[in-house]
Amino acid sequence: SQQGEEDPQALSIQEGENATMNCSYKTSINNLQWYRQNSGRGLVHLILIRSNEREKHSGRLRVTLDTSKKSSSLLITASRAADTASYFCATASSGNTGKLIFGQGTTLQVKP
Amino acid sequence: DAMVIQNPRYQVTQFGKPVTLSCSQTLNHNVMYWYQQKSSQAPKLLFHYYDKDFNNEADTPDNFQSRRPNTSFCFLDIRSPGLGDAAMYLCATSRGGTGTQPQHFGDGTRLSIL
Repeated sequence: SQQGEEDPQALSIQEGENATMNCSYKTSINNLQWYRQNSGRGLVHLILIRSNEREKHSGRLRVTLDTSKKSSSLLITASRAADTASYFCATASSGNTGKLIFGQGTTLQVKP
Repeated sequence: DAMVIQNPRYQVTQFGKPVTLSCSQTLNHNVMYWYQQKSSQAPKLLFHYYDKDFNNEADTPDNFQSRRPNTSFCFLDIRSPGLGDAAMYLCATSRGGTGTQPQHFGDGTRLSIL
């Protein structure tokens, strides 16, 4: 069953603007991860946030996690055309076997 | 650079003709995964190897099998491909199988069925 659902499904912004993507999930998690996928390519890991963490930063990326609401958000600041890609959240369940459940993804287009 | 390599990038096969996709890694990770990803959908886990231990997802069709002859290589065999098996197949690796480490993906093999 699908664990993560993402919102919005598609997002189009101008270069320099911020982009925010949201992810909701259903069961208890060990951690939540965000991945980027450029068209026709594999997924690239961006950030892993553990269930006892509330916020994490990496360069222009900021991830928040609210376990009480079972939700996470990914903020990309000062977006660039090269940020155009699909972004997926993935959850690893508590007591899991390493399995990640991916959300449906948000397709981000950054216009130059 | 350490990486995950999938060959070929594009594979065309005929309906019902067996096909094998390959994945190799130089990361020395002990876990390897195979995902199926259809257009505009999330990657769906087919199975994974924790070292030599094979773990099949409950809803993975019997048509799909896998082999891992050594740490570096893993193969996906589709015995009798149907039109519904046309998809991108992604291989990934991780260090450890607890989900506490990120997964590293290859660029995938896009499979077309004629």
